[in-house]
Amino acid sequence: DAGVIQSPRHEVTEMGQEVTLRCKPISGHDYLFWYRQTMMRGLELLIYFNNNVPIDDSGMPEDRFSAKMPNASFSTLKIQPSEPRDSAVYFCASSPLLGANVLTFGAGSRLTVL
Amino acid sequence: DQQVKQNSPSLSVQEGRISILNCDYTNSMFDYFLWYKKYPAEGPTFLISISSIKDKNEDGRFTVFLNKSAKHLSLHIVPSQPGDSAVYFCAPVKTSYDKVIFGPGTSLSVIP
Repeated sequence: DAGVIQSPRHEVTEMGQEVTLRCKPISGHDYLFWYRQTMMRGLELLIYFNNNVPIDDSGMPEDRFSAKMPNASFSTLKIQPSEPRDSAVYFCASSPLLGANVLTFGAGSRLTVL
Repeated sequence: DQQVKQNSPSLSVQEGRISILNCDYTNSMFDYFLWYKKYPAEGPTFLISISSIKDKNEDGRFTVFLNKSAKHLSLHIVPSQPGDSAVYFCAPVKTSYDKVIFGPGTSLSVIP
């Protein structure tokens, strides 16, 4: 298995632009998570899905952020409009269970908003 | 509301010596504790865990100690190796089947 695949690996955009980050989870994993890593806040959970359904989005910072999972093999995290403070590394992770020690992370998408 | 604190943002240790990474938490409902390790340009990977019914769990060079009364856990790496240089995240959960909340991380540098 190729693991959790994220794209793009790097994104540089200007303030106000729309950003879409993509994730392909491991086949057979029923849970998908979006995390964001910043120097100030560390690794914070934004939202997670179970069987393509959003379960907990309490970590989504504001309405500019949205996430979808149209099928079991694809998820997107969208920021519209983007702001400089959104600059961070965004990780997608998947797991077969809701258990921390089975989380498999992707390599991350580094976003820079100028 | 910071439920998990790792008060040392960075730590430098000589190769062969012991590395001790600390983590403090505030929620007494946490009953399962994990450590993740992250190399640059990679996602975090699971390293070791401990249940609240134990006070120590060992896996090779890695040992995690839990002091529930103090709401404190620590990760010991003995002996430290240059390949251990990474960011270490403490991650407590309320049950073994709960979403994971990560601490801010400690960047460990092991100097050859």
